[in-house]
Amino acid sequence: DAGITQSPRHKVTETGTPVTLRCHQTENHRYMYWYRQDPGHGLRLIHYSYGVKDTDKGEVSDGYSVSRSKTEDFLLTLESATSSQTSVYFCAISEGQIGKNTEAFFGQGTRLTVV
Amino acid sequence: RKEVEQDPGPFNVPEGATVAFNCTYSNSASQSFFWYRQDCRKEPKLLMSVYSSGNEDGRFTAQLNRASQYISLLIRDSKLSDSATYLCVVNIGGFKTIFGAGTRLFVKA
Repeated sequence: DAGITQSPRHKVTETGTPVTLRCHQTENHRYMYWYRQDPGHGLRLIHYSYGVKDTDKGEVSDGYSVSRSKTEDFLLTLESATSSQTSVYFCAISEGQIGKNTEAFFGQGTRLTVV
Repeated sequence: RKEVEQDPGPFNVPEGATVAFNCTYSNSASQSFFWYRQDCRKEPKLLMSVYSSGNEDGRFTAQLNRASQYISLLIRDSKLSDSATYLCVVNIGGFKTIFGAGTRLFVKA
């Protein structure tokens, strides 16, 4: 299995509090991604990174920010958590762009509940 | 209309059965296609890429129909271990990769 770990694996937080999720890889892959997965929806891209300090928005980026100060770490921050951000969050890594015949490897997911 | 649509199922089949899933996509400029598998409460994992000429990997066969804009996955001789959700994935260029919501499969003894 690819060396990718997410922390925490589970979190319950209150509305309005900031939350940071961490993704750590040991594969030295250039690309890293944050997705959320909700019932009835596919995985939806929040933000992605194509290098250290190089990030861009995905389709559902409102309310989220990211940072990548080292190749191996990609942080996702919910500035002020809302109940609509209750979801399962997956980090993914890939050598090339996902979809360019490059496999994406996913972390085990973080279950976030905002109450 | 969703960019990638799948029948959510569930498909309930006996061991040894053949089962097929379809996935339709709306963007005719779509370039790359994949099937991922996701076990319950686990992360998705690549099952196979889908090539224009169709491709096979053991009991699994993937097909692409560009004219009708769908891809398919055929599973022969189903095993209990095939029980999972199968995600259709379509890349329409650059970082625009769309994951379908998945089709659930239950294989019963």
